[in-house]
Amino acid sequence: EAGVAQSPRYKIIEKRQSVAFWCNPISGHATLYWYQQILGQGPKLLIQFQNNGVVDDSQLPKDRFSAERLKGVDSTLKIQPAKLEDSAVYLCASSLESSGRAGGGELFFGEGSRLTVL
Amino acid sequence: AQKVTQAQTEISVVEKEDVTLDCVYETRDTTYYLFWYKQPPSGELVFLIRRNSFDEQNEISGRYSWNFQKSTSSFNFTITASQVVDSAVYFCALYTGRRALTFGSGTRLQVQP
Repeated sequence: EAGVAQSPRYKIIEKRQSVAFWCNPISGHATLYWYQQILGQGPKLLIQFQNNGVVDDSQLPKDRFSAERLKGVDSTLKIQPAKLEDSAVYLCASSLESSGRAGGGELFFGEGSRLTVL
Repeated sequence: AQKVTQAQTEISVVEKEDVTLDCVYETRDTTYYLFWYKQPPSGELVFLIRRNSFDEQNEISGRYSWNFQKSTSSFNFTITASQVVDSAVYFCALYTGRRALTFGSGTRLQVQP
């Protein structure tokens, strides 16, 4: 079974530029998550989708970050304009079970997209 | 509010030593789930275990064991006879249904040969 696919793996941009990350979850997984992991910290949830609807985006800096999951399959996370503090690994994860069901389901993570903002 | 604390930032052991990684959590919910994930140098988070709040039985899986104690809000992880391949960052995480997984800050384990 193919895992969660993310691209690009690495991206270096200058501040105020824009960047987009793509994620393709495991086939059949209804729930998709974007996490931000700053060096030395644990992952922090940015946004959670259930199919193509947003379940939780309370920690997404909406003035510069946006995400969409058209058609309820793959997803794109965009940052515009980027700031120095956005340097991090952006992790995409998916789960079979919905967020409302017991345990939230086991999350399967991609390898992440490492962003460096200069 | 929910919170996960991993007070140990980094632990270094010699191969074959036993090592325990601590995890303390906070939640007002009575139903919740606790997780441990491993993050090797490749960066991908690997699921290790999930435990619900109603099951306080300790669990053993090979060299790994977990000790869940609701009285102290702890969910500690022990690796017996550590190996170099165990070197990674380990994250404890909490799920309550109000929000997706909340992670601790992680413990970096270095196992020296």
